[in-house]
Amino acid sequence: GDSVTQMEGPVTLSEEAFLTINCTYTATGYPSLFWYVQYPGEGLQLLLKATKADDKGSNKGFEATYRKETTSFHLEKGSVQVSDSAVYFCALSPNYGGSQGNLIFGKGTKLSVKP
Amino acid sequence: DTAVSQTPKYLVTQMGNDKSIKCEQNLGHDTMYWYKQDSKKFLKIMFSYNNKELIINETVPNRFSPKSPDKAHLNLHINSLELGDSAVYFCASSQTSRSTDTQYFGPGTRLTVL
Repeated sequence: GDSVTQMEGPVTLSEEAFLTINCTYTATGYPSLFWYVQYPGEGLQLLLKATKADDKGSNKGFEATYRKETTSFHLEKGSVQVSDSAVYFCALSPNYGGSQGNLIFGKGTKLSVKP
Repeated sequence: DTAVSQTPKYLVTQMGNDKSIKCEQNLGHDTMYWYKQDSKKFLKIMFSYNNKELIINETVPNRFSPKSPDKAHLNLHINSLELGDSAVYFCASSQTSRSTDTQYFGPGTRLTVL
């Protein structure tokens, strides 16, 4: 079945460091890909998404490119801030049959940014 | 104005009890979902409703029953609660059930079964 694998955390960085969180997927057809962020004690918020191959999603300095050839959707940010400390989830949404719209999540990566 | 709201935020109860969690969205969306987040933060879909029709029912025990009185509400009833039901339950909604649609999540309900 469809699945998402993302790098294990926790990840600890200093402020202004470069961030990469790896995400790869296995899916039938052409899923949509998402990054969601969960701040402590809160629900999930969409960070960015891409709905077809080679699309780049971007928001708040974060970017991710939908790479079908490598089945990847890695999250990057050039300079992290303390306020970016959160848990980041990579997810896919299948585009076929009864599973359409069913978000399948990776296990989450906890990011801590130190001043 | 909160887009997706859930009540209660915290729920502590004894094993064997029956409880409900309510969810409401004011976004005018057609599709609503329930997700379970376990103690390791892993998220898994439980149910999905599209225009009040159940369209996904993952392998969830039949002690869990979703009820949708109208398009804006999706409640979750849990019978005979077990220790393993302790988790955070998130409600979400999207415009349609298309794979490209963004899902908007509520703040979560932390259920603790003693």
